Amino acid sequence: EMQLLESGGGLVQPGGSLRLSCAASGITFSSFAMSWVRQAPGKGLEWVSAISGSGGTTYYADSVKGRFTISRDNSKNTLYMQMNSLRAEDMAVYYCAKGGIAVGGWFDPWGQGTLVTVSS
Amino acid sequence: QSVLTQPPSVSGAPGQRVTISCTGSSTNIGAGYDVHWYQQLPGTAPKLLIYGNSNRPSGVPDRFYGSKSGTSASLAITGLQAEDEADYYCQSYDSSLSGLVFGGGTKLTVL
Repeated sequence: EMQLLESGGGLVQPGGSLRLSCAASGITFSSFAMSWVRQAPGKGLEWVSAISGSGGTTYYADSVKGRFTISRDNSKNTLYMQMNSLRAEDMAVYYCAKGGIAVGGWFDPWGQGTLVTVSS
Repeated sequence: QSVLTQPPSVSGAPGQRVTISCTGSSTNIGAGYDVHWYQQLPGTAPKLLIYGNSNRPSGVPDRFYGSKSGTSASLAITGLQAEDEADYYCQSYDSSLSGLVFGGGTKLTVL
């Protein structure tokens, strides 16, 4: 059974940077696309970014394009999200999830999430 | 404003049937893209409930039923139980945004 465990969240000032990690276990990690999905406090879900199994193709929501960078290290079974120029509206629980790159794709499973707080 | 529109809340008594709608447009559901549903219990991560419009992952009770028609999709829950109280989200692909999109979510209250 695949398990995902996020880490790296925390408190950061506006304009600051943070790097999230998502450690995967229980699958052949490099075979699957991976995504980040976020949920602002009391709000709904928002897809943020996705990356192909090889890491060669990446996708971003317009809201984070140019500020966030998704990457993966298949030798470590780990997904990353480098977040720069953070804004108040980026404050959310960030979930990593398998999938999310195919046109008809879905997200399954999900990690437990890591909270990013952007505040001065 | 979400690309996919869901009612903010629905409610029902134990044992009853409820439905949650997910209304899209010609650039997402109406274009033929699949709809998927997630259940988010309080304080937990979302969990895949329905994929490919009407398919249930292993372990999901057959009380949960997904359907799609035209520019809309629906999630029906029969034999409502207290443990079904959660937020439910639909998800699809939108060609105008070139990305996966979610509905705004529906809070189900079991009376």
